[in-house]
Amino acid sequence: ETGVTQSPTHLIKTRGQQVTLRCSSQSGHNTVSWYQQALGQGPQFIFQYYREEENGRGNFPPRFSGLQFPNYSSELNVNALELDDSALYLCASSLVGNNYGYTFGSGTRLTVV
Amino acid sequence: AQSVTQPDIHITVSEGASLELRCNYSYGATPYLFWYVQSPGQGLQLLLKYFSGDTLVQGIKGFEAEFKRSQSSFNLRKPSVHWSDAAEYFCAVGENTGNQFYFGTGTSLTVIP
Repeated sequence: ETGVTQSPTHLIKTRGQQVTLRCSSQSGHNTVSWYQQALGQGPQFIFQYYREEENGRGNFPPRFSGLQFPNYSSELNVNALELDDSALYLCASSLVGNNYGYTFGSGTRLTVV
Repeated sequence: AQSVTQPDIHITVSEGASLELRCNYSYGATPYLFWYVQSPGQGLQLLLKYFSGDTLVQGIKGFEAEFKRSQSSFNLRKPSVHWSDAAEYFCAVGENTGNQFYFGTGTSLTVIP
């Protein structure tokens, strides 16, 4: 079985720009979550998607938005980038009801300059 | 509010020595508890988890953890550390909705020969 794949691996953007990060879920998984991991910190929950709808959100502003597609892949969009958005963004997929059986991707390292 | 504290930012141990990483949590109900490991450039890999039952849980790579409700702790242990164990270790609490982890800030482990 394939794991969770994220693209791109690294990305540099300018403050004020918009960015889209992509995630392919593990085969058979139907739920995807996104986490932000700032340098020296633990991952923080951004939101989760299930059946193409947002299914829980952390303490992140509306300029962080997402999509889940019928094939369960997902996108994280961030508008009006700020320097503090520089972080590792992790995607994790699971099968709903599979009690925290999440598989994490290797992440996208976003640098905002 | 849910939170996780990992009091040790960085730990250095000699190869072959025993290891204990500390984790304290704050959660109103019976917690779901996890330990993850993150190697450089990698995503999070689950070492072990506790939902209920036996308070001593065994995980992969020879790790174990003990849940102590009276101390709100879930410390990770390994009797003999290998050089390949050098990594960042995260303790996490999961909500019983199954859709959100709360991570600690992590403990960085260095293993010296």
